[in-house]
Amino acid sequence: EAGVTQSPTHLIKTRGQQATLRCSPISGHTSVYWYQQALGLGLQFLLWYDEGEERNRGNFPPRFSGRQFPNYSSELNVNALELEDSALYLCASSARQFANSPLHFGNGTRLTVT
Amino acid sequence: LAKTTQPISMDSYEGQEVNITCSHNNIATNDYITWYQQFPSQGPRFIIQGYKTKVTNEVASLFIPADRKSSTLSLPRVSLSDTAVYYCLVGEAVYGGSQGNLIFGKGTKLSVKP
Repeated sequence: EAGVTQSPTHLIKTRGQQATLRCSPISGHTSVYWYQQALGLGLQFLLWYDEGEERNRGNFPPRFSGRQFPNYSSELNVNALELEDSALYLCASSARQFANSPLHFGNGTRLTVT
Repeated sequence: LAKTTQPISMDSYEGQEVNITCSHNNIATNDYITWYQQFPSQGPRFIIQGYKTKVTNEVASLFIPADRKSSTLSLPRVSLSDTAVYYCLVGEAVYGGSQGNLIFGKGTKLSVKP
């Protein structure tokens, strides 16, 4: 089966611009999670979407937002980019109809803000 | 939310067995324990998951004591390719609930030497 796919793999933006990152979950998975991983650091939880709705968000400012589409794919938007937003953004999906279904991660989008 | 504590780093040699312990003192009744492996510039990869006692698969074993306040990932006969960061994750995505912000700890950087 195809894994979680993310696009683009690399994205370069300047400060103040907006970035849009995309994620396609594994077929049949309804939950999508977004994480931020700054260089050399751990994974910071950003957002959780399930069945098209935002279920929870981490401790990030409102300029980090997203949505989940009817086909369960998801989009992460980062407005008013700041230099410290440079990081690897990881998307994961899980089959929420099975409790404690493990997360399956994509290989991320490397966002560089200059 | 169950917070996890792991050693920051560990060193080993090829062929040795490696045990990485994760502490999760306030684990909840419904929480499962999941371990992930991450290589640089890649998304984490699921290794093993358990609830109690011992779980074994083709790559690792997971030992969970009766009180479930800790867990130990055991990697038999490590090789150079096992050099990675290992994350312990405790939690669940409650269907229809407000949880699901699955929080990763800082992980353990395992270095395997020849």
